[in-house]
Amino acid sequence: LAKTTQPISMDSYEGQEVNITCSHNNIATNDYITWYQQFPSQGPRFIIQGYKTKVTNEVASLFIPADRKSSTLSLPRVSLSDTAVYYCLVGAFNQAGTALIFGKGTTLSVSS
Amino acid sequence: EAGVTQFPSHSVIEKGQTVTLRCDPISGHDNLYWYRRVMGKEIKFLLHFVKESKQDESGMPNNRFLAERTGGTYSTLKVQPAELEDSGVYFCASSLLAGASSTDTQYFGPGTRLTVL
Repeated sequence: LAKTTQPISMDSYEGQEVNITCSHNNIATNDYITWYQQFPSQGPRFIIQGYKTKVTNEVASLFIPADRKSSTLSLPRVSLSDTAVYYCLVGAFNQAGTALIFGKGTTLSVSS
Repeated sequence: EAGVTQFPSHSVIEKGQTVTLRCDPISGHDNLYWYRRVMGKEIKFLLHFVKESKQDESGMPNNRFLAERTGGTYSTLKVQPAELEDSGVYFCASSLLAGASSTDTQYFGPGTRLTVL
């Protein structure tokens, strides 16, 4: 799985849009980009996944440039409950089961 | 739909004792994974079952750890004998058996916090 680099931490106020960028220079052709969210005392939770361009769901948007060497998770109008650790993972998840490799993630702190 | 459940939520044992952790995956999920986070470190993969078969156990730290998934449903992870460095949070995750055109979204349980004294 490709190595990823993301900020260690970010702070935001409620109502702001938060963008977390992840670098993955060695991404392979068949790799997908996946983001997980983890709250304290809980397991990681799938947020969004994409291959290229833009993906949007009810929680977030994922922007992937043409070269796919980075990606940006966008959280619109964050609230206090969005305080969590966000992990960027890259891998060929279209296989029949893949061990996820987690980095340190980005700790997002949202305050009022 | 019930999510992945794990039992117990927290276990405190003494060094040398045995502990068994249990994971119940989402019904119908053939893939089952165990992960672990030790204090201050990243979440690390331990092993992967496809139904009752071990697909990948490259992350198992040593032979004190034994994972089973009899019948392809729930799984247990036994640590015997437990050592101080085994303390951490053990996560279980499950996913559908991915086909060539789908991706492997893993659903995690809340984890079992193991404390070895």
